[in-house]
Amino acid sequence: EVQLVQSGAEVKKPGESLKISCEGSGYNFNSYWIAWVRQMPGKGLEWMGNIYPGDSDTTYGPSFQGQVTISADESISTAYLQWSSLKASDTAMYYCARRGMGATQGLDYWGQGTLVTVSS
Amino acid sequence: EIVLTQSPGTLSLSPGERATLSCRASQSMSSNYLAWYQQKLGQAPRLLMYGASSRATGIPDRFIGTGSGTDFTLTISRLEPEDFAVYYCQQYGRSLWTFGQGTKVEIK
Repeated sequence: EVQLVQSGAEVKKPGESLKISCEGSGYNFNSYWIAWVRQMPGKGLEWMGNIYPGDSDTTYGPSFQGQVTISADESISTAYLQWSSLKASDTAMYYCARRGMGATQGLDYWGQGTLVTVSS
Repeated sequence: EIVLTQSPGTLSLSPGERATLSCRASQSMSSNYLAWYQQKLGQAPRLLMYGASSRATGIPDRFIGTGSGTDFTLTISRLEPEDFAVYYCQQYGRSLWTFGQGTKVEIK
């Protein structure tokens, strides 16, 4: 069974750093793109970026370039999303999702989400 | 970057009625790279359609995706109680992916 399991909720202060994770299981983690998606409170979905764990090829959305870092450790089938200096506006639910095999596939499996709260 | 505009923002319908959701792209795009997702309150999104018209695994045939170029439509032929949710379109054909802002289908 394919699963993406994300790390737990975080409460941080502005200026702190954070790294959240997304562990894949039940499939060949290296062979599928992983996307990160932000959902701010009461708002819609925003694509943040993608990573291909097999070669760490990474693409960022324009609003997120330079603001976050996406990485992956194929040895433990885990993708990461990290911030070096959080802002209150980073408060959101963050989802990881797998892009299905094949060029036309959408995001077929999703993690349960990690809620990040940034408050002084 | 392709901007996706969904309409209407909210659709108020009764169970058994037909729902028609629109997703318009800011420039022509391949229908191969248009997906629809359903999100219920407190849950992660779920893939409904990919390639504009292909249903994802386990998605009932009352969900129908059509469209090409700049105009795409998700039709729910007969609303079931579990279909009341928010629906998002997404394009993933270029290196920069985008989502529409969502359409909420609510019970009238």
